[in-house]
Amino acid sequence: DAKTTQPNSMESNEEEPVHLPCNHSTISGTDYIHWYRQLPSQGPEYVIHGLTSNVNNRMASLAIAEDRKSSTLILHRATLRDAAVYYCILRDVGETSGSRLTFGEGTQLTVNP
Amino acid sequence: SAVISQKPSRDICQRGTSLTIQCQVDSQVTMMFWYRQQPGQSLTLIATANQGSEATYESGFVIDKFPISRPNLTFSTLTVSNMSPEDSSIYLCSVARGGTGLYEQYFGPGTRLTVT
Repeated sequence: DAKTTQPNSMESNEEEPVHLPCNHSTISGTDYIHWYRQLPSQGPEYVIHGLTSNVNNRMASLAIAEDRKSSTLILHRATLRDAAVYYCILRDVGETSGSRLTFGEGTQLTVNP
Repeated sequence: SAVISQKPSRDICQRGTSLTIQCQVDSQVTMMFWYRQQPGQSLTLIATANQGSEATYESGFVIDKFPISRPNLTFSTLTVSNMSPEDSSIYLCSVARGGTGLYEQYFGPGTRLTVT
C-alpha cells in the first residue's frame, strides 16, 4: 500500500482556516485520496475524497497537487468540534483490497477558543 | 449512510476468559470489518468478515484468537479469546456498501475492553 506522511499535530484558533497537509509521493494512478477524522471517544468518520481535481463538500475542501504527490485538507472555519485526529488514506479504486482502510498515525488537530 | 450499533459498549473481563462483541447495521452492506485501537494509538485492521465463509485475517491476527462470524449482510460478531491485559483496546466494527476503494466506510461507536 502506498504510504502517507502527516504531521503529528497541528494547532488552530477557532473560526480561522486550517490547512492539514499530507504527503504521498508513491501514489499510483488508481489511488484515491481519502480523509477521515476521529473525534474523541468516537469511531472515525468520512470527511472527503478525491482523485485529481480539487473537491468541496459541506465539511471541508480537498486541494490536490498537480503531480498528486501531496494534498491538503482545508477546514474553512475551524470550530471546537473540529478537534480530532485527521487521517489521510490512499485507496485503490480498482481492487477489492482498496475497500480496506489502512490507518496511519494521522494529525491531531487542536482548536483553541 | 449506515447506522452501526455495537454490544457491549464496554466491558471489564478477567484474563483467560473470552468476550463476544456484536455488530448490527441498520441496512444490508457488502463489506464488514473489525478494527482494534489500542490506547493512544491508531486503528489496526484485524479482519474482513465474509458472509458465509471464513473471515480474512490481516498479518498478526489469527482465527483462534479472534474468531469472527457473519451470518448475514447486517450482522457480525468478533470474539476475543483467552484474553490477556494486552487485549485491552477499543474494538470497532466498520462497514462499506461496496467492495472497492470508491465506497465510503462507516464505523460503529466501538467496544471498550479492559482485561484485568
